[in-house]
Amino acid sequence: AQSVTQLDSHVSVSEGTPVLLRCNYSSSYSPSLFWYVQHPNKGLQLLLKYTSAATLVKGINGFEAEFKKSETSFHLTKPSAHMSDAAEYFCVVSGTGTASKLTFGTGTRLQVTL
Amino acid sequence: NAGVMQNPRHLVRRRGQEARLRCSPMKGHSHVYWYRQLPEEGLKFMVYLQKENIIDESGMPKERFSAEFPKEGPSILRIQQVVRGDSAAYFCASSPLMGGGNTEAFFGQGTRLTVV
Repeated sequence: AQSVTQLDSHVSVSEGTPVLLRCNYSSSYSPSLFWYVQHPNKGLQLLLKYTSAATLVKGINGFEAEFKKSETSFHLTKPSAHMSDAAEYFCVVSGTGTASKLTFGTGTRLQVTL
Repeated sequence: NAGVMQNPRHLVRRRGQEARLRCSPMKGHSHVYWYRQLPEEGLKFMVYLQKENIIDESGMPKERFSAEFPKEGPSILRIQQVVRGDSAAYFCASSPLMGGGNTEAFFGQGTRLTVV
């Protein structure tokens, strides 16, 4: 069984300040982990993914995430928030094998203020 | 290479009618997943299909919901006798032939179903 817990349902930051969106996972196997972003009334876009290579993963739009096995965490960070980053962010875990489905966290809504 | 195409984007149905949601995966992708997103919630897995086969339907409600992915044509999610609680955004995702845990799934824009 696999699951993810997003620790904050809402995060508000000022433009230009760092972003931290927290995610903890649970998996019976070495997981694959993803962060997806969803802008209002839009589909989902992949930000980055971890697949057991480098533990620090760089994604699009300046986002990165660090896989920490000892803490079972995969937090998403960005050094400087931009207004266009305001969206819903989902941490996602996938199992292994060819019949793997994605399990989504409940999401974190990022608000960016001036 | 077009992305995952879902249609319609918006669908309004009266209670008791049928809703048919279509998903055309990306070219070369033979794995399709359907997810449902209720307001203010994350995406919940419904069903995973390969061509002509249902691989995992553990997230599908036992009644009124069905899914198919025929040899030719799009994947269809069918909801019979819709009720207000079926109102949600339904997302389709696809992944390549050799899908697996580390393979990215590409999502469509979703179909927003409103039951009135």
